[in-house]
Amino acid sequence: NAGVMQNPRHLVRRRGQEARLRCSPMKGHSHVYWYRQLPEEGLKFMVYLQKENIIDESGMPKERFSAEFPKEGPSILRIQQVVRGDSAAYFCASSPSSGTGNTGELFFGEGSRLTVL
Amino acid sequence: ELKVEQNPLFLSMQEGKNYTIYCNYSTTSDRLYWYRQDPGKSLESLFVLLSNGAVKQEGRLMASLDTKARLSTLHITAAVHDLSATYFCAVSRTGTASKLTFGTGTRLQVTL
Repeated sequence: NAGVMQNPRHLVRRRGQEARLRCSPMKGHSHVYWYRQLPEEGLKFMVYLQKENIIDESGMPKERFSAEFPKEGPSILRIQQVVRGDSAAYFCASSPSSGTGNTGELFFGEGSRLTVL
Repeated sequence: ELKVEQNPLFLSMQEGKNYTIYCNYSTTSDRLYWYRQDPGKSLESLFVLLSNGAVKQEGRLMASLDTKARLSTLHITAAVHDLSATYFCAVSRTGTASKLTFGTGTRLQVTL
């Protein structure tokens, strides 16, 4: 049973370009979360999505960042017109749908490390 | 706003010694999680604590939760070098499903 799959693992962009990060949740999981980790810091929540719905985007910057989780295919975190401050590791996590036995535990992917030159 | 604080932020300890990492959080929660992260790697789930007084042990690590004090501890017994990593606690606010707020992390270095 494959875990959470993220790609690319490493991405280099120049200032002003666009970055697209993809995440496929674990099989059977319908909830996806994106977190950002700056060097030597903890993880900061960005957005929580279910299929075709954004549930909570309270951690997303108001501009340049967007996320989607379409009916078919992976979840995508999109960063437009990247700046150096966007350089970070972006982690995706998934969890099963709510219900009996769901502990709320998140399962994390390997992360996508974005470097903006 | 839910705040989660860990201390110490950095811990250097010799093999064979015991130590405790503390995790305090600022608002009502009934779920607390501990994760381990190796440099450049993902987060590995260690413990899920779901009720007041919960205690879980795995090998040399033991985690506990006191919801009344809003405190969790991660105790390390007879540390070995393989435990060197960064340890994060994370809390979900009651009623917010799986949205987790992470602590700042404790970087543990076990020396020979």
